[in-house]
Amino acid sequence: DARVTQTPRHKVTEMGQEVTMRCQPILGHNTVFWYRQTMMQGLELLAYFRNRAPLDDSGMPKDRFSAEMPDATLATLKIQPSEPRDSAVYFCASGLGVHSADTQYFGPGTRLTVL
Amino acid sequence: DQQVKQNSPSLSVQEGRISILNCDYTNSMFDYFLWYKKYPAEGPTFLISISSIKDKNEDGRFTVFLNKSAKHLSLHIVPSQPGDSAVYFCAASGSSNTGKLIFGQGTTLQVKP
Repeated sequence: DARVTQTPRHKVTEMGQEVTMRCQPILGHNTVFWYRQTMMQGLELLAYFRNRAPLDDSGMPKDRFSAEMPDATLATLKIQPSEPRDSAVYFCASGLGVHSADTQYFGPGTRLTVL
Repeated sequence: DQQVKQNSPSLSVQEGRISILNCDYTNSMFDYFLWYKKYPAEGPTFLISISSIKDKNEDGRFTVFLNKSAKHLSLHIVPSQPGDSAVYFCAASGSSNTGKLIFGQGTTLQVKP
């Protein structure tokens, strides 16, 4: 049963600290998405990659957020420095990405709390 | 600028009755629409979709209706079951074939036994 995995599942940190979230996409999927879920905005797209190349990161605060895919099995989202307003659930999703109709498969999320 | 809007944060229905979840969009370039379902502590999972060339798509108890002129779609669940209690997200994508989805804020459905 192929699944997207995310680590850590929960993270509590203090303002100003660096936070790194990791995602392992489903093997064979060439598109990876990072979303943030907040009460007001719902699911916001932060960034996405196809074949490890960033296609769009316009949803990310550029000064503090960065997303990378060091290899096909790992995607990372880093926040440095973290702020209380970054508290949210961060989801990674992967898909075949050939067409907009392709299903995205979501991981369980990382719940981030910045104090 | 919220291009996909779900104006009802929550909905409560009785088991066996119909649940209707609504979604509005502003971008006329959207040509594919999806509904995702999310349980607590889990990621969203795909539920049903519809292409802009159709106005209805049915899958078991779930039916999605699309009204392009009104830029509105709805998800009907008949009959509703307690296991349907979850957050439902509407999503839309354009013809750019990038796989990028724009999600709404979500509607929390509670189905009471």
